Amino acid sequence: QMQLVESGGSMVQPGRSLRLSCAASGFTFRIFGMHWVRQAPGKGLEWVAFVWHDGSNEDYADSVKGRFSISRDNARNTLYLQMNSLRVEDTAVYYCAREVGSCSGGVCYVDYWGPGTLVTVSS
Amino acid sequence: EIVMTQSPLSLPVTPGEPASISCKSSQSLLHENAYNYLDWYLQKPGQSPQLLIYLGSNRASGVPDRFSGSGSGTDFTLKISSVEAEDVGVYYCMQSLQTSRTFGPGTKVEIK
Repeated sequence: QMQLVESGGSMVQPGRSLRLSCAASGFTFRIFGMHWVRQAPGKGLEWVAFVWHDGSNEDYADSVKGRFSISRDNARNTLYLQMNSLRVEDTAVYYCAREVGSCSGGVCYVDYWGPGTLVTVSS
Repeated sequence: EIVMTQSPLSLPVTPGEPASISCKSSQSLLHENAYNYLDWYLQKPGQSPQLLIYLGSNRASGVPDRFSGSGSGTDFTLKISSVEAEDVGVYYCMQSLQTSRTFGPGTKVEIK
């Protein structure tokens, strides 16, 4: 049974750092690209970052570029999001999500999301 | 950045009646490979989003056939042929043409 389970969310002060993890199981993690998407309280969905299946490339939303870093450990079936210089506006539930296929000219879609982990940035 | 808009933002529905949500993109999502890179998600209350439709019109595994997606280029529609009580929640469209994904603001569907 396929699972994505995020962890690492907590309350932190502005300017501090936090690392989120997403543990994958029930599928061959190393062949799928992975996203982080966040949702501020009562708000819509905002894409945060994406990493290629082999970790060879990444992409970030402008709002987090230079502060957040996405990475993965395919041997441990785990996705990470290192968040530095946190701001109040980073407060959100953070979801990891799996991408099927390749959007480089082929079939691709995000098919499964974890339950999310809450990050609260407050003084 | 591709900007996504949806209408309406709120949709009261009557069980058994049809419903329709519109999604528009600021640039064409039609790739030269003929795929429209537009997906639909439903976020039920207290849950994470679930995939309904991918590449404009393909129903995801396990999604009831009362859900259908159509459209091409910049204009897309999600239709529910006969709304059921379990369909309440917020519906989002998302473009996947660019790695930097963008979502519509969401359409909240609730029972009248």
